[in-house]
Amino acid sequence: DAGVTQSPTHLIKTRGQQVTLRCSPISGHKSVSWYQQVLGQGPQFIFQYYEKEERGRGNFPDRFSARQFPNYSSELNVNALLLGDSALYLCASSGAGLAGGHSPTDTQYFGPGTRLTVL
Amino acid sequence: GESVGLHLPTLSVQEGDNSIINCAYSNSASDYFIWYKQESGKGPQFIIDIRSNMDKRQGQRVTVLLNKTVKHLSLQIAATQPGDSAVYFCAEVKGTYKYIFGTGTRLKVLA
Repeated sequence: DAGVTQSPTHLIKTRGQQVTLRCSPISGHKSVSWYQQVLGQGPQFIFQYYEKEERGRGNFPDRFSARQFPNYSSELNVNALLLGDSALYLCASSGAGLAGGHSPTDTQYFGPGTRLTVL
Repeated sequence: GESVGLHLPTLSVQEGDNSIINCAYSNSASDYFIWYKQESGKGPQFIIDIRSNMDKRQGQRVTVLLNKTVKHLSLQIAATQPGDSAVYFCAEVKGTYKYIFGTGTRLKVLA
């Protein structure tokens, strides 16, 4: 079975540009989360989407936006890129996404990431 | 602010020895903790999880210990192998979906 897939693998942009990153979840998973991982640090939560609705957002500016499609794939958009946006962007998918607390079906499985470099 | 951190940024162990990776967390509201392994150029890989109503859980060659009194989590790897070399993260789960990761511990396995 295919795991979480992300595209592109690497991306180079310049300051002020816009970027779109793509993610396909594990088959059967309805929830997608996005994380930013700066070199030498742990991943930082950006968003979670479940059934095409944003369910939660981390401490990131409005330049970051996302959406989820009917097939549960997702796109992360970042506008007006800054040098500090250079990072590995990780997508994670999970299953049922029921509210009320984490269960094993909510475990997030990560893709390989997209390495974004802003010059 | 909330944080999940690690005591040791780098841990070097001899092949075949046991490894212990530690993690301290500051927010006691979570009821779920997860360990991930991240190899160079890859995304984090799920290793093992534990609920806050447990103090120990075992997997294949790995054991996670949770001490809620001192807000401490550890990952024990038995008979460490070269393939275990990676960065290990503990993650605290808030609610259903928000994972809070620490900065990670790099495990180096010496031949």
